[in-house]
Amino acid sequence: ILNVEQSPQSLHVQEGDSTNFTCSFPSSNFYALHWYRWETAKSPEALFVMTLNGDEKKKGRISATLNTKEGYSYLYIKGSQPEDSATYLCAFINNYGQNFVFGPGTRLSVLP
Amino acid sequence: GAGVSQSPSNKVTEKGKDVELRCDPISGHTALYWYRQSLGQGLEFLIYFQGNSAPDKSGLPSDRFSAERTGGSVSTLTIQRTQQEDSAVYLCASSLGTSGGNEQYFGPGTRLTVT
Repeated sequence: ILNVEQSPQSLHVQEGDSTNFTCSFPSSNFYALHWYRWETAKSPEALFVMTLNGDEKKKGRISATLNTKEGYSYLYIKGSQPEDSATYLCAFINNYGQNFVFGPGTRLSVLP
Repeated sequence: GAGVSQSPSNKVTEKGKDVELRCDPISGHTALYWYRQSLGQGLEFLIYFQGNSAPDKSGLPSDRFSAERTGGSVSTLTIQRTQQEDSAVYLCASSLGTSGGNEQYFGPGTRLTVT
């Protein structure tokens, strides 16, 4: 059974603060890691698809890094805004399967 | 362009009844996934379709659950003899192909409540 963990489970920050959270996944047979943002009452939306060790991706104030050798990815949000409030999910896929294993998510609340 | 659509958006059913949930993927997407999120839980993989290949049913929780994908497009998830523990949000997603390098596009979900 593949285990994907995320920490923290939830996070409250003030508007303007920068924050980061972690996704941990099995380090063997890595194929890809995805990050999704899931806002309340909406569908999950893809943020990043990461496939190479050392990958760093950025979209606006959000960025992510990937370490496949040790099995973790960090998601960073710079200068958090209330609209960043959402659950952030990571999803792991290995070389053996085609289905994704999602982590439990980190619920971010940005207070104005 | 049209995204992934699902119907119904909400479904309330009595325990023991059968339900069908529908997913229309993005045109041209060959991969289709079903997930569910139960209260307080993360996204749970249910089943995966890729083109004309046999589906990966490894995530279906019991034989009461089945899914079809007709013509490589629309998919229906059927739950027979529903139980209260089936109550969840059922999400469908599609992507361009089998590669894990393709992002998934999610539908709005169907909220199923079994009373």
